[in-house]
Amino acid sequence: DAGVIQSPRHEVTEMGQEVTLRCKPISGHDYLFWYRQTMMRGLELLIYFNNNVPIDDSGMPEDRFSAKMPNASFSTLKIQPSEPRDSAVYFCASSFPRESYEQYFGPGTRLTVT
Amino acid sequence: AQKITQTQPGMFVQEKEAVTLDCTYDTSDPSYGLFWYKQPSSGEMIFLIYQGSYDQQNATEGRYSLNFQKARKSANLVISASQLGDSAMYFCAMRERNTGGFKTIFGAGTRLFVKA
Repeated sequence: DAGVIQSPRHEVTEMGQEVTLRCKPISGHDYLFWYRQTMMRGLELLIYFNNNVPIDDSGMPEDRFSAKMPNASFSTLKIQPSEPRDSAVYFCASSFPRESYEQYFGPGTRLTVT
Repeated sequence: AQKITQTQPGMFVQEKEAVTLDCTYDTSDPSYGLFWYKQPSSGEMIFLIYQGSYDQQNATEGRYSLNFQKARKSANLVISASQLGDSAMYFCAMRERNTGGFKTIFGAGTRLFVKA
């Protein structure tokens, strides 16, 4: 298996622009997670899906952030409009649906908003 | 609310020595999983070891072992015979049942420096 795939790996955009991050989970994994990592706040869970359904989006910072999972093999995290404080590394992870299963992380997308 | 605490922002260890990275957690759920991940400077997140809340024995994976003290709600990672390649950020995480699914949260991390 190719593992969790994220694109793009790096994104540089100007404040106010829309940003879309993409993720392809490992085939067969029912859970998909989006995390944001910054020096100040560490690794924050933004939202997670179970069988394509959003379960907990309490970590989404504000309405500028939205996430979708239209099918089992694809998810997007969108920021509109983007702001400089959104600059971070965004990780997607997937796993099987039990507390005993580890999460497999993608390589991350490094977002820079200028 | 669940919580993971890693009190050591940074740790130094001499090559070939053992080191313990601390992690405490807080949960009211009797069933949960505890994990450690390594993040080297390249940025990827690498799973190291898992401990289930009902496991009677401490988990071990090669040079990694997890010192699980349930009553104290601690899950410390022990790395034996440290290597230069162990220099990285280490995260403790807990996964427990959440409405509709299983939620995982991470601690703030401990940066480990291995000295030659």
